[in-house]
Amino acid sequence: QKEVEQDPGPLSVPEGAIVSLNCTYSNSAFQYFMWYRQYSRKGPELLMYTYSSGNKEDGRFTAQVDKSSKYISLFIRDSQPSDSATYLCAMSRYSSASKIIFGSGTRLSIRP
Amino acid sequence: SAVISQKPSRDICQRGTSLTIQCQVDSQVTMMFWYRQQPGQSLTLIATANQGSEATYESGFVIDKFPISRPNLTFSTLTVSNMSPEDSSIYLCSVLKTGRDTGELFFGEGSRLTVL
Repeated sequence: QKEVEQDPGPLSVPEGAIVSLNCTYSNSAFQYFMWYRQYSRKGPELLMYTYSSGNKEDGRFTAQVDKSSKYISLFIRDSQPSDSATYLCAMSRYSSASKIIFGSGTRLSIRP
Repeated sequence: SAVISQKPSRDICQRGTSLTIQCQVDSQVTMMFWYRQQPGQSLTLIATANQGSEATYESGFVIDKFPISRPNLTFSTLTVSNMSPEDSSIYLCSVLKTGRDTGELFFGEGSRLTVL
């Protein structure tokens, strides 16, 4: 079993829809949870970061962590074609970059 | 933030050859990493490039196959040696910048290698 599971998609939704991206994990020691966005032929860039459980909101993006269920989510409101990218969840026991475990990424396409 | 330049951006290589990927950062960084991203797979850490000492390799990766140099705090190279088609992948250079709450990884655009 992989430490982090992520549905690879692809996920295609119409512009303006609410998007929900999810990951599950098996290691209860994970404390730091991240979402990276990767455009085609580019490197990943950090989108959201959350420590422990709870929600974090940044504009149209909301990251949610449920440690009891070992489940994290990224919600995108009012989705735009520019949100079309691959979204990778990532998590770690520590705040440093050591031993960050990435999900395999969900490819998202927003249809105009 | 950090601006990371990788060269080459892509290459097609013959089986049995070796290729060196260069990574240049626009500022001095302590922590620099090399990742592999295979199609449909998660980002996998190959090694931590240590300035002035041997790289620290993750399980499943060895120095003979992936020799790494880190001559200073802004530059590193990764060599993929004796390539086989299984080495076809995107190789990403990454650096850690420490913020107030946590470290943030910045990535280069990647080097896409195809081995025939």
